[in-house]
Amino acid sequence: EPEVTQTPSHQVTQMGQEVILRCVPISNHLYFYWYRQILGQKVEFLVSFYNNEISEKSEIFDDQFSVERPDGSNFTLKIRSTKLEDSAMYFCASSEVTGRELFFGEGSRLTVL
Amino acid sequence: QKEVEQNSGPLSVPEGAIASLNCTYSDRGSQSFFWYRQYSGKSPELIMSIYSNGDKEDGRFTAQLNKASQYVSLLIRDSQPSDSATYLCAASGSSASKIIFGSGTRLSIRP
Repeated sequence: EPEVTQTPSHQVTQMGQEVILRCVPISNHLYFYWYRQILGQKVEFLVSFYNNEISEKSEIFDDQFSVERPDGSNFTLKIRSTKLEDSAMYFCASSEVTGRELFFGEGSRLTVL
Repeated sequence: QKEVEQNSGPLSVPEGAIASLNCTYSDRGSQSFFWYRQYSGKSPELIMSIYSNGDKEDGRFTAQLNKASQYVSLLIRDSQPSDSATYLCAASGSSASKIIFGSGTRLSIRP
């Protein structure tokens, strides 16, 4: 069964460092998303991406964040200068059609020290 | 701020009974609605999607949508201990380019 894959599963970084989280969406999906979930809190929308452009982003997705599809398979989330409050689980998701079912990867746990 | 609201629970249901989970949403432009299950430390897993008013059944699960009341529900029949998880309600925004999640309802199935 096709699945979304994410790497790394866990990353520990120092405050102020840059982090890149990687995702391989399901191959025939065209719409890509990043969500985050701080421990014990809700799944929060960060950004959606289609046709090499950001479709929509939340207030959380400030200038510290960027997304990129560097090749035909990967979708990345970069955090330029991590803060303690960036510690969370980051989920990548993809969908075949906009506004339809999202399929999530297993997540990347980011710990900022 | 468009929201999806759920009772956080925990909701405790005996094994074999029907579990009823509810959700309301604020964006009248929402067109797509979803129920996800999330086990502790895991990613959300899609259970059902529903797009039109009425009921939609899939195995032990029935989703119900009432757009006039901005209300979505999920019924789980013959509840099993493995159904113990947090259930997330989600709705698309008017633009359809994002899907927002409620904070989830913790469901516990007691043997």
